Amino acid sequence: GDSVTQMEGPVTLSEEAFLTINCTYTATGYPSLFWYVQYPGEGLQLLLKATKADDKGSNKGFEATYRKETTSFHLEKGSVQVSDSAVYFCALILLEDTGRRALTFGSGTRLQVQP
Amino acid sequence: NAGVTQTPKFQVLKTGQSMTLQCAQDMNHEYMSWYRQDPGMGLRLIHYSVGAGITDQGEVPNGYNVSRSTTEDFPLRLLSAAPSQTSVYFCASRFDREGNSPLHFGNGTRLTVT
Repeated sequence: GDSVTQMEGPVTLSEEAFLTINCTYTATGYPSLFWYVQYPGEGLQLLLKATKADDKGSNKGFEATYRKETTSFHLEKGSVQVSDSAVYFCALILLEDTGRRALTFGSGTRLQVQP
Repeated sequence: NAGVTQTPKFQVLKTGQSMTLQCAQDMNHEYMSWYRQDPGMGLRLIHYSVGAGITDQGEVPNGYNVSRSTTEDFPLRLLSAAPSQTSVYFCASRFDREGNSPLHFGNGTRLTVT
């Protein structure tokens, strides 16, 4: 079945460091890809998305490019802040799936940014 | 605009007890769903609904029931709580049933079963 694999955390960085969180996927078709972020004590919220190969999603300084050839959607940010400390989830959905049409989530990567 | 509202925020149950987790959205979303979040396992889909009167099973439905009598509400019922159901539960909704629009999540219910 479809699956998403993320790098294990926690990832600990100093403020202003460069961030990469790896995400790879396995899917039977051509999925749409997402990054969701969960701040402490809150539900998940959409950070960015890409719907087709070579698309780049971006938001709040974060970027991720849909790489079909490597089945990857790595999350990057050039300069992290303490306020970016959260858990990040990579997810996919197959829109041609006429069944559940549900997101498949990775296990999440905790980011800790130290001042 | 409240978004997705879940109650309660915290709950402790004894094995065998039943309870209902409430979820309401005020965005007129067609699609609603319940996930559970466990350490190292991400989020797993329990049940979902594509509209009032329509529900279906997700990845881990055993031990849970749902109903969707209105567009706004999607309660999750634990029939006979077990320690394996200790988890954080999230309700999520989106505008369309197809999956083009983003999911909106509630703030979660942390359930402990002793």
